[in-house]
Formats: sequence, structure tokens, C-alpha cells
Amino acid sequence: NAGVTQTPKFQVLKTGQSMTLQCAQDMNHEYMSWYRQDPGMGLRLIHYSVGAGITDQGEVPNGYNVSRSTTEDFPLRLLSAAPSQTSVYFCASSYRGQGAYEQYFGPGTRLTVT
Amino acid sequence: AQSVTQLDSQVPVFEEAPVELRCNYSSSVSVYLFWYVQYPNQGLQLLLKYLSGSTLVKGINGFEAEFNKSQTSFHLRKPSVHISDTAEYFCAVTLTNDYKLSFGAGTTVTVRA
Repeated sequence: NAGVTQTPKFQVLKTGQSMTLQCAQDMNHEYMSWYRQDPGMGLRLIHYSVGAGITDQGEVPNGYNVSRSTTEDFPLRLLSAAPSQTSVYFCASSYRGQGAYEQYFGPGTRLTVT
Repeated sequence: AQSVTQLDSQVPVFEEAPVELRCNYSSSVSVYLFWYVQYPNQGLQLLLKYLSGSTLVKGINGFEAEFNKSQTSFHLRKPSVHISDTAEYFCAVTLTNDYKLSFGAGTTVTVRA
């Protein structure tokens, strides 16, 4: 199993550009989520999905869109990039294990918006 | 809503010394608790988790944590650290009937020879 994969690893955007961060998992996990990591703030939830066709907003959803057409894929779209979106983005997936949703993380995408 | 406070942002420690990372949470209902580790330029890896039962939880790489409901704490300990334990450590909490994790701000552990 590859686990959770993310592409690209690094990306530089200019203000106003759009792009899609890709996330895929091969563990047949029902739950997937996107976080952003900023220094001193831990990880903050952007959007999450509890299954194909179902998505919802997390703590910091503004400026981002998601969709979940398959169990495996959960792309994150930046509609019009802003310098405040400079961050490291992590995708995670999880299953119901022993009653808890243990999450598995991808390696991250480091995004810089100039 | 639940929240997590990690009481130390940076912890320097000498090799083979013990280390304790402090985590407090707030929630009015039952929670599950987790500690994750992030090595430089990598994703997060689960160290251990508390779901129920014994309040002393053992994880990977010699780490353990103790759940204290009365003090709403979940402190992480290791009796003897190695250089390779240099990393950022995150405490996280979720409600028992929810998917969403709430993370603390993280504690950076730097192990020196």
C-alpha cells in the first residue's frame, strides 16, 4: 500500500492564480480531510469528507474548495491564491478502528504564494 | 467544542535524559486523545492513542502517556531520549462520536548530545 499520497511536494504561485492540490489514498478509508500547518498554530482543519459525494467545512475553509467523487481521491482547490495561504498542506484519511478515527497523513505540500 | 493546549512550545533536552511534554484538553463530553510526531520535512505519524481502559498508554519508540480525567491532561513521557527523537510533537483530541481532530500548537523537542 502506498498509503496517503500528495502531489505536488512544492509549489510556488502568484497572487490570484488557482491550482489544485491532489490527495489519494489506497486504504479504502471512508474519511478524508485537509489541514494546513502554520508555525505556532498546529494543524487546522480546512475541509473534510465522510464519504464519496459528502463534504463539509472545517475551521478555516475560506478560499478553498473540495469535492469527493471517489473514495480514493480528495483534491483541494485554491480558487484565487493569496499570500495568507502560504502554508504546508496535509491530507489525511482514517477508518473506524476500535471506535476511534485514527488518521493517516500524507507527506505534505509546501505552498508559497508571492 | 473541544480544544487542546500544549504547555511548552520548545523543550531542549540532553541525550539519555527523560522528557515530558504537557498537554491539557477541554471538553464537556467524552474524548479520544492522540499524540503525533512530525520529523523534519515529513508528515505526521501516530505515536499513541487513548480510547478507553487503562489510563497509561504505551506507544512506539518507547513513549508513553497518561490520561488524567480529573486534570483533563494527557502528558507524554519518555525515560531516555535519543538524538533521533528530535521532532515536533502534537497532541490532538476528538469527540468519541466525531471524525474531526483538534490539534495543539505543537512542542518542538531538540535532543542534544
